[in-house]
Amino acid sequence: GEDVEQSLFLSVREGDSSVINCTYTDSSSTYLYWYKQEPGAGLQLLTYIFSNMDMKQDQRLTVLLNKKDKHLSLRIADTQTGDSAIYFCAEEPLETGTYKYIFGTGTRLKVLA
Amino acid sequence: DAGVTQSPTHLIKTRGQQVTLRCSPKSGHDTVSWYQQALGQGPQFIFQYYEEEERQRGNFPDRFSGHQFPNYSSELNVNALLLGDSALYLCASSARDRGQDEQFFGPGTRLTVL
Repeated sequence: GEDVEQSLFLSVREGDSSVINCTYTDSSSTYLYWYKQEPGAGLQLLTYIFSNMDMKQDQRLTVLLNKKDKHLSLRIADTQTGDSAIYFCAEEPLETGTYKYIFGTGTRLKVLA
Repeated sequence: DAGVTQSPTHLIKTRGQQVTLRCSPKSGHDTVSWYQQALGQGPQFIFQYYEEEERQRGNFPDRFSGHQFPNYSSELNVNALLLGDSALYLCASSARDRGQDEQFFGPGTRLTVL
């Protein structure tokens, strides 16, 4: 099947680090993405990683990729209340064509003040 | 740059009716993809348009159809609406064939079918 799996909820205290995990399905996926969705809004691209990389850092965001286990994680350092949102990982399997993303069900991050 | 725009923002229809949703891609983008996001779920790929043709399609019935115009804008049409078609419909634009890797999403159209 084509199920990208994410845990449903994560709650952290302001200032702590958040780690959101994702297990994807297709080892041929060339790009893996993290999107943020705030209530009533569309998707905002946070970052992406190419499959030949193990790690990518972008300011407070760190993406780790374990291709062997098909595991992707997003770490948010110094989490702020404005980071409260739903976070989606998405894969782009090579054989399905460009920009045909398969999304996970999303992880709802709640940041406690 | 206005980014990806969609209209209308919200729409209420009844079962059996037909609906048309519209999308204008980000400036410089020529590829438009449509996604359906049911409540509490991740987006699911419906189809993609490039050069005014449907390039790829997800697992959606023929009631879902689309069109792309010469200015790259796109429409999504859904016929014979069902209650289960209630969702947020997202449009995304991209230009990978021109060497860009990112896909940008619009704010979505929330469709409610009564």
